[in-house]
Amino acid sequence: GENVEQHPSTLSVQEGDSAVIKCTYSDSASNYFPWYKQELGKGPQLIIDIRSNVGEKKDQRIAVTLNKTAKHFSLHITETQPEDSAVYFCAARTADSWGKLQFGAGTQVVVTP
Amino acid sequence: DGGITQSPKYLFRKEGQNVTLSCEQNLNHDAMYWYRQDPGQGLRLIYYSQIVNDFQKGDIAEGYSVSREKKESFPLTVTSAQKNPTAFYLCASTHRGLDNQPQHFGDGTRLSIL
Repeated sequence: GENVEQHPSTLSVQEGDSAVIKCTYSDSASNYFPWYKQELGKGPQLIIDIRSNVGEKKDQRIAVTLNKTAKHFSLHITETQPEDSAVYFCAARTADSWGKLQFGAGTQVVVTP
Repeated sequence: DGGITQSPKYLFRKEGQNVTLSCEQNLNHDAMYWYRQDPGQGLRLIYYSQIVNDFQKGDIAEGYSVSREKKESFPLTVTSAQKNPTAFYLCASTHRGLDNQPQHFGDGTRLSIL
């Protein structure tokens, strides 16, 4: 089955700097890669996703890149703000997996003023 | 507003007791999922259902049971056979049959042992 590894587990950045979180996946058949943000005591919220036919996607300060050959994808947050502090999860899904997602272990991002 | 409602927000279980967590969605989604989240870990799939009256085991189904009698509802029962039930439980849903649609999550139920 699919296995997703996520690094780093914690990330501390100064406000205004960029944050990068990286994930690798094992199943070359995976074709959908969402990123979720989870605040304390809340459920994960989808922030951006990318499909395997696209190499990069951007939404304001957030971007995701996908390298299918290397089987890794990354989340980039620019001009970080204190409200970006949260746990971020990557996930991967194959077309025949009944919609099931395989999640990474999460990255705790702390943005310090 | 459309969304996923989980209740209760906090739940306590006594030894030998079964408890049921509620998950209701008004997004008209076919597929629903239950995940368990432990501190410092990712989400692990317990059970999922693609359609009413049908469901499949996920990666960690032992000690849990589910039902899917209505499209909108997917309750999870944590049985006394689950020896380490303390965790944050998350319910999610998505459209079935549409390629690569995102899962939407509720705000979870935190279960603790008394």
